[in-house]
Amino acid sequence: DAGVIQSPRHEVTEMGQEVTLRCKPISGHDYLFWYRQTMMRGLELLIYFNNNVPIDDSGMPEDRFSAKMPNASFSTLKIQPSEPRDSAVYFCASSSAPGHGSGANVLTFGAGSRLTVL
Amino acid sequence: AQKITQTQPGMFVQEKEAVTLDCTYDTSDQSYGLFWYKQPSSGEMIFLIYQGSYDEQNATEGRYSLNFQKARKSANLVISASQLGDSAMYFCAMRGRFGNEKLTFGTGTRLTIIP
Repeated sequence: DAGVIQSPRHEVTEMGQEVTLRCKPISGHDYLFWYRQTMMRGLELLIYFNNNVPIDDSGMPEDRFSAKMPNASFSTLKIQPSEPRDSAVYFCASSSAPGHGSGANVLTFGAGSRLTVL
Repeated sequence: AQKITQTQPGMFVQEKEAVTLDCTYDTSDQSYGLFWYKQPSSGEMIFLIYQGSYDEQNATEGRYSLNFQKARKSANLVISASQLGDSAMYFCAMRGRFGNEKLTFGTGTRLTIIP
């Protein structure tokens, strides 16, 4: 299993540009999560999906952020227009439905996408 | 709402000693899971150990054990015989169920192992 795959690993862009981050979850996982990590705010949940449907997007900072999951094997997080305060590491994670044992409950994280907005 | 509290921003421990990282949580859910993740300087999030709220025995995974005290809402991580490679950030986290399946993280503890 290749794990959760994120791209790009690093992105440097200028303020005002559109940024698209991509995620391929583990096959068979029906939950997908987008997190953001900064020194100031730690690990924050932005949005999560169950069976491709957004369940909780209360962590999405503002209208400049949008996330989609068109199918079970692909999700995008888009920032338009980007701002310097969006600079962070963005993690995608996937899991099975919560149940008994760690195998059913553990979130597997991708390697992260480090975004720098100048 | 779920909340995780880690009160130790940083810890220094001598190599080969045991170390306990503190974690307390707050939730109104009856069924939930508790997790510890390790984040080395390379940045990846590595799952270490899981404890279900209905599990009666403390979870163990090799050198890691989770000291689960449900009444006190405590889920401390114990690392036995620490190694230099254990130097990293450690995050305690909680996951609920039934529409609350997100993972909520604490602020983390930076552990440094001294040779």
